[in-house]
Amino acid sequence: DSGVTQTPKHLITATGQRVTLRCSPRSGDLSVYWYQQSLDQGLQFLIQYYNGEERAKGNILERFSAQQFPDLHSELNLSSLELGDSALYFCASSRDNINQPQHFGDGTRLSIL
Amino acid sequence: DQQVKQNSPSLSVQEGRISILNCDYTNSMFDYFLWYKKYPAEGPTFLISISSIKDKNEDGRFTVFLNKSAKHLSLHIVPSQPGDSAVYFCAASVKEYGNKLVFGAGTILRVKS
Repeated sequence: DSGVTQTPKHLITATGQRVTLRCSPRSGDLSVYWYQQSLDQGLQFLIQYYNGEERAKGNILERFSAQQFPDLHSELNLSSLELGDSALYFCASSRDNINQPQHFGDGTRLSIL
Repeated sequence: DQQVKQNSPSLSVQEGRISILNCDYTNSMFDYFLWYKKYPAEGPTFLISISSIKDKNEDGRFTVFLNKSAKHLSLHIVPSQPGDSAVYFCAASVKEYGNKLVFGAGTILRVKS
């Protein structure tokens, strides 16, 4: 058990819809990261928050947004969903911002029908 | 642009023998490297890391070697156990870019008993 909690585990929805994925980091971790794992792309970094502020962005689509709340949990919002957004979305957390191992949750599997 | 490459999609090893997983990278700015293990339906689990100022790091049965001149790192597992059968991911980060990880495509390790 990594201590990182992601909900829901599975999400099935239709094209054009909007969903919210939630992540609770390990106790004491200030940084939260979101990654997408699709069949053809592997694990791809999306976005990082540190203590409530955005710190780094990867190839995150404009239809996607995230935030980190004062209690340090984070949400990833995906809107105008397309078939290609079907993937595993992982959240990870680390103690701080630099050269620290990240600990991953078990992911949310998103299926777009 | 695949900056972290794991060229062997799979590896099969006999129980008790050494498993050697390899990883190459192209970005000379990477200064922190990690190995993760992943079982089906779970998130990646952190195994071991190494800073670019070192060339070796050991933790129990796991040793990571870093050859900066060759831009190559490897993970040695001795002795290999059936429970080590999983997908192994190599990852790297650059301190100046925060802690975002760039992952390789993974290598499936099968340890036969």
